[in-house]
Amino acid sequence: EAQVTQNPRYLITVTGKKLTVTCSQNMNHEYMSWYRQDPGLGLRQIYYSMNVEVTDKGDVPEGYKVSRKEKRNFPLILESPSPNQTSLYFCASSLTGAQGRAFFGQGTRLTVV
Amino acid sequence: GENVGLHLPTLSVQEGDNSIINCAYSNSASDYFIWYKQESGKGPQFIIDIRSNMDKRQGQRVTVLLNKTVKHLSLQIAATQPGDSAVYFCAEGSLAGANNLFFGTGTRLTVIP
Repeated sequence: EAQVTQNPRYLITVTGKKLTVTCSQNMNHEYMSWYRQDPGLGLRQIYYSMNVEVTDKGDVPEGYKVSRKEKRNFPLILESPSPNQTSLYFCASSLTGAQGRAFFGQGTRLTVV
Repeated sequence: GENVGLHLPTLSVQEGDNSIINCAYSNSASDYFIWYKQESGKGPQFIIDIRSNMDKRQGQRVTVLLNKTVKHLSLQIAATQPGDSAVYFCAEGSLAGANNLFFGTGTRLTVIP
C-alpha cells in the first residue's frame, strides 16, 4: 500500500530537548516536504527536498532542520524545541514536486512545554 | 507567505445539494493551484489541481474553476454526500519558481443528512 509514515503520532516534550520526527515513504518519490498546521493559519511549509541531499527552506524554516540521506526518509529535527513549535506536523511526498499530487502522512501532534 | 484566503470559513449544505467552496489568491504570478481535503484526524488528501492555462477542470463529482482576472478559484462538489464533510484547502504555487506551495486557511464543509 502506498503510504507516508510518520513517527511518533503524538509527542510531549520539554523546552530545549532535541527531538526528531521521522518520515518515510514507500513510493520512490523524489519530492518530500514538511508542513506545520496551526489553527487559523492553515498549512505552512517548513522545508522541502527535491531529491537525496537536496533540501530547501519553505515558508517557516526557523528552528527546524531536515536531512535527506536516503530517498525514502526525510526526518524533521528540532534541535532546541520551544513552546511556539507546538503544532500539528505533516510530512508529504510526491513524484516530482510540489506541483502535483502529494501524499500526506497521518500527522504528528507535538506539544512543547 | 502568500495571502491565500477563503471567503467563507464554514459551509453547511444539505445532502444531495451541490457545494461551492471559494478561494482568493493574491499573487498574480501563481500559475498552479490545487485543492486538498482533510478529514478529522487525517492528513490532507489530493482532490484536483489546475494550471493557469485552463479555466476549468473536472474530476469525479468535482470541478475546479479558475478566474485569473479576479484571482479567484472555486471547488464545486456535485451531489454532496456525508463523506464529503471535511476541511478543504486551496493552495497556490508557481510551475517555474520555487518548489513550494502556499496554502489557504481552509473551509469546513458540513453535510447535513
